[in-house]
Amino acid sequence: AQSVSQHNHHVILSEAASLELGCNYSYGGTVNLFWYVQYPGQHLQLLLKYFSGDPLVKGIKGFEAEFIKSKFSFNLRKPSVQWSDTAEYFCAVGPGDTGRRALTFGSGTRLQVQP
Amino acid sequence: GAGVSQTPSNKVTEKGKYVELRCDPISGHTALYWYRQSLGQGPEFLIYFQGTGAADDSGLPNDRFFAVRPEGSVSTLKIQRTERGDSAVYLCASSGSTSGSTDTQYFGPGTRLTVL
Repeated sequence: AQSVSQHNHHVILSEAASLELGCNYSYGGTVNLFWYVQYPGQHLQLLLKYFSGDPLVKGIKGFEAEFIKSKFSFNLRKPSVQWSDTAEYFCAVGPGDTGRRALTFGSGTRLQVQP
Repeated sequence: GAGVSQTPSNKVTEKGKYVELRCDPISGHTALYWYRQSLGQGPEFLIYFQGTGAADDSGLPNDRFFAVRPEGSVSTLKIQRTERGDSAVYLCASSGSTSGSTDTQYFGPGTRLTVL
């Protein structure tokens, strides 16, 4: 069985601060990795994803994430946050080698950016 | 283009009643997923359809929960004898891949179910 841990439940930053949200997963096989974002009053939207290749992936709105296989991690980063980044962020993992399609989500990190 | 749509957006029911939640996936997407999101948690997988058949129903919590997708497009999640613990946001997602691994899933706005 897979599991996903997001260690930061609530993060408060000022505008222009740098952001790093942690995500660790437990699964021994090949993984597909995702970060989704949910802005207030909106539905889940894909920020970025990793399937294979370059472990540093870039997504929308200046976000990036790095897959470190040895650490089972897929941390999300942004050099300079904006007030509009206030949202809840979810890391998700799916097996890439079993034929199963279900995603396992972390419990989410609520990011609050203060102007 | 149109995204995943779900109806109703909110549903309030009484304990013991039967409810149906509907999902209309992105046109042309063959894969459809149902998840449940409780307060303060991430979405939890319930069931996955590839076409008309349920390819993986391992996440359904018990036999009160059932889902169908008779024509390979719209899906209905059915909950019998609802319990207060069923209160959650029920999310639907769809994807266009037929490959054997996870791919990008596009989520709908969800149905907030409240069982009194």
